[in-house]
Amino acid sequence: DAKTTQPPSMDCAEGRAANLPCNHSTISGNEYVYWYRQIHSQGPQYIIHGLKNNETNEMASLIITEDRKSSTLILPHATLRDTAVYYCIVSHNYGQNFVFGPGTRLSVLP
Amino acid sequence: DTGVSQDPRHKITKRGQNVTFRCDPISEHNRLYWYRQTLGQGPEFLTYFQNEAQLEKSRLLSDRFSAERPKGSFSTLEIQRTEQGDSAMYLCASSSYRVNTEAFFGQGTRLTVV
Repeated sequence: DAKTTQPPSMDCAEGRAANLPCNHSTISGNEYVYWYRQIHSQGPQYIIHGLKNNETNEMASLIITEDRKSSTLILPHATLRDTAVYYCIVSHNYGQNFVFGPGTRLSVLP
Repeated sequence: DTGVSQDPRHKITKRGQNVTFRCDPISEHNRLYWYRQTLGQGPEFLTYFQNEAQLEKSRLLSDRFSAERPKGSFSTLEIQRTEQGDSAMYLCASSSYRVNTEAFFGQGTRLTVV
């Protein structure tokens, strides 16, 4: 079973920030938080990952709480092309036999 | 580098036939993964290679399924005596040997068993 809990769906207005939450209360010390997204009929696309510090790249920011039991993926200016299913995964740092949950279906609305 | 490549993109086969899919990982990646995804679900892990060695297999990988990576480069996934329940998207991913690294997925092979 997946070790994460995400809301099944969210809406976001185009141009606004999309904040996608993830709970991972049983995360262990050597497990990273990974985020992927999947646009319809395509393979999952890597977004970002982190251990305990906040991370930012050209796609998104990842905010991890101090106790590491939850995190938030932030898309700063959502566009229609960001409509996708977003998966939050926790995994140890030496292999990617990820356990995917159902993810959050983000709909960016015009 | 064009990323992870999978072939074919779509396959329709009759029940009972054998099918084989190919995955070409990113060239410097020594780790390769196969996943299966059914409609409305997240991908499910099937198996994992490090170079040519198959290091982990999910219980989802029944004896009708076999995966190989003979020279540590491309990989094949064969399904023998296909069943309708095998209809799914089969995804391949690869990553480097470094720790803390991400995996990159291909576009998948969509299998339909009729």
